[in-house]
Amino acid sequence: AQRVTQPEKLLSVFKGAPVELKCNYSYSGSPELFWYVQYSRQRLQLLLRHISRESIKGFTADLNKGETSFHLKKPFAQEEDSAMYYCALSGERGNTGRRALTFGSGTRLQVQP
Amino acid sequence: ETGVTQSPTHLIKTRGQQVTLRCSSQSGHNTVSWYQQALGQGPQFIFQYYREEENGRGNFPPRFSGLQFPNYSSELNVNALELDDSALYLCASSLRQASSNYGYTFGSGTRLTVV
Repeated sequence: AQRVTQPEKLLSVFKGAPVELKCNYSYSGSPELFWYVQYSRQRLQLLLRHISRESIKGFTADLNKGETSFHLKKPFAQEEDSAMYYCALSGERGNTGRRALTFGSGTRLQVQP
Repeated sequence: ETGVTQSPTHLIKTRGQQVTLRCSSQSGHNTVSWYQQALGQGPQFIFQYYREEENGRGNFPPRFSGLQFPNYSSELNVNALELDDSALYLCASSLRQASSNYGYTFGSGTRLTVV
């Protein structure tokens, strides 16, 4: 079975501080990992995918297969980064559909001025 | 280019009733998925449709069913509603390719309350 764990429900930092949102996964194959973000009163939207190795809004995430982690990082937090962040996994196995997403329970990031 | 639209935005139903939720996919997307998001939780996969056929299903009972139409719009039907069905229901569309997942475009959701 595939599982995504986000151990922190809430992460509060001050503006300009580094941010690391933790994500660990359980999957026996080669997963695709994503970070989704939901700003206040907005819909869930894709932030970044591990396969593209991109940096979006200053955020990066590296897939560590040894530690089965996909932590989201940003060196200097901004107030506009305050949002709910979800880590998600897409796998090919099982009967859930080739590209179904398994989400973590989310971490709320609060960036204080 | 339009995004994913869902209707209605809010709905209140009585236990035992049936409900139909609707979703219009983003233009050019051929795959639609439905997710249930309970309060304080991440979205949970219900099922996915591709070319009008169910293409995968999560851990939900048969009273959750769906349809995808030739224009790629979709419906989620839930029969014999239970109190625990109260949640935000999200529709997400994507373009299915042979290669990796390009990610989903989500709608704003339908908030269902069962009383």
